[in-house]
Amino acid sequence: KAGVTQTPRYLIKTRGQQVTLSCSPISGHRSVSWYQQTPGQGLQFLFEYFSETQRNKGNFPGRFSGRQFSNSRSEMNVSTLELGDSALYLCASSSTVVSADTQYFGPGTRLTVL
Amino acid sequence: DQQVKQNSPSLSVQEGRISILNCDYTNSMFDYFLWYKKYPAEGPTFLISISSIKDKNEDGRFTVFLNKSAKHLSLHIVPSQPGDSAVYFCASLTTSGTYKYIFGTGTRLKVLA
Repeated sequence: KAGVTQTPRYLIKTRGQQVTLSCSPISGHRSVSWYQQTPGQGLQFLFEYFSETQRNKGNFPGRFSGRQFSNSRSEMNVSTLELGDSALYLCASSSTVVSADTQYFGPGTRLTVL
Repeated sequence: DQQVKQNSPSLSVQEGRISILNCDYTNSMFDYFLWYKKYPAEGPTFLISISSIKDKNEDGRFTVFLNKSAKHLSLHIVPSQPGDSAVYFCASLTTSGTYKYIFGTGTRLKVLA
């Protein structure tokens, strides 16, 4: 089975721009979560989608948004980029929502905001 | 408010010795805990988990211990190998209500040959 894929792997943007990141989960997985990783902050939960619906949301400003498509692929959008948005953005997929199913992570998208 | 804390940002251990990574949590509603390992330029990979109804789970060289009264869990790696050098994240999960993982800030383990 192919793993979780994220595109692009690297991205450089300037302040004020917007960016869209993409995540394709493992085939058959319906839950996709997004995380932001910065040095010293660990993995901060952004949001989770299941069957095209946002089920959970972390404590991030409204500039961060996402969506999930019918094929479970997910996109994350950040508008009006700030320098502090520079981070590794990880997505993770899991197959069920009832049990504590393991999340499988993609390699991440490294976003640099100049 | 960091609900899951890994107070040691780094740890160095000699090859063959035991590595002990610690994690503390504040929310007694957490009922599932996981450890992930992360190499540079890769996403975290699942290592081992434990349910709150257990106090120990073992998988090969990796053992996770859970002390619910202290709200503390630890990961033991015995014997440590150079390939274990990575950043380790503990994570908690509440399976009732919101289904959300909360990760710690990570501990960088370096196993010295």
